[in-house]
Amino acid sequence: IAGITQAPTSQILAAGRRMTLRCTQDMRHNAMYWYRQDLGLGLRLIHYSNTAGTTGKGEVPDGYSVSRANTDDFPLTLASAVPSQTSVYFCASSHREGTEAFFGQGTRLTVV
Amino acid sequence: GENVEQHPSTLSVQEGDSAVIKCTYSDSASNYFPWYKQELGKRPQLIIDIRSNVGEKKDQRIAVTLNKTAKHFSLHITETQPEDSAVYFCAASKGNAGNMLTFGGGTRLMVKP
Repeated sequence: IAGITQAPTSQILAAGRRMTLRCTQDMRHNAMYWYRQDLGLGLRLIHYSNTAGTTGKGEVPDGYSVSRANTDDFPLTLASAVPSQTSVYFCASSHREGTEAFFGQGTRLTVV
Repeated sequence: GENVEQHPSTLSVQEGDSAVIKCTYSDSASNYFPWYKQELGKRPQLIIDIRSNVGEKKDQRIAVTLNKTAKHFSLHITETQPEDSAVYFCAASKGNAGNMLTFGGGTRLMVKP
């Protein structure tokens, strides 16, 4: 692994199903983030983590949860997916919060 | 919290011309201002950033200017090329604990050959 990777790259999900998007980085960055990007809109922060063991809510946290058990991994869970969660999801990391962020390749999620 | 406005939302220029994208921010305590380029279907990637202790920074054909008094910063691309076509995002943060990057809405730049 080099940098930050996400899995899966795309997914079609039935409404009401549970889904976890995976994110792993090998840069030993302290801070990690989850953004969603909708057509015609910019990047909106869902949840963040300043360091392993801590998480916080961003601009659009409802319907999502995260955990940060270790430095490298920051999974995002949709407990019960709804069509409005159809989006492209980007995970990102930075040495510390508020500095240059490195993005994963994105996960395109379609909830039907 | 911080609010970042970005204009224009779309910009079309002829190859070789210059392109300017402008952003304003609301929190006077913000001190870190990066610009990201996102090509179609790809991830956003940092192209240049500036901190509040300088007013301008250049890297080949791209430059960023910052006016802290007016709370705005701009991206300048000179001698545009078709490969500059992409969506560009500005962002702002205080660069310290508990302060995340807040992104502008993005500018779709189209460079016509």
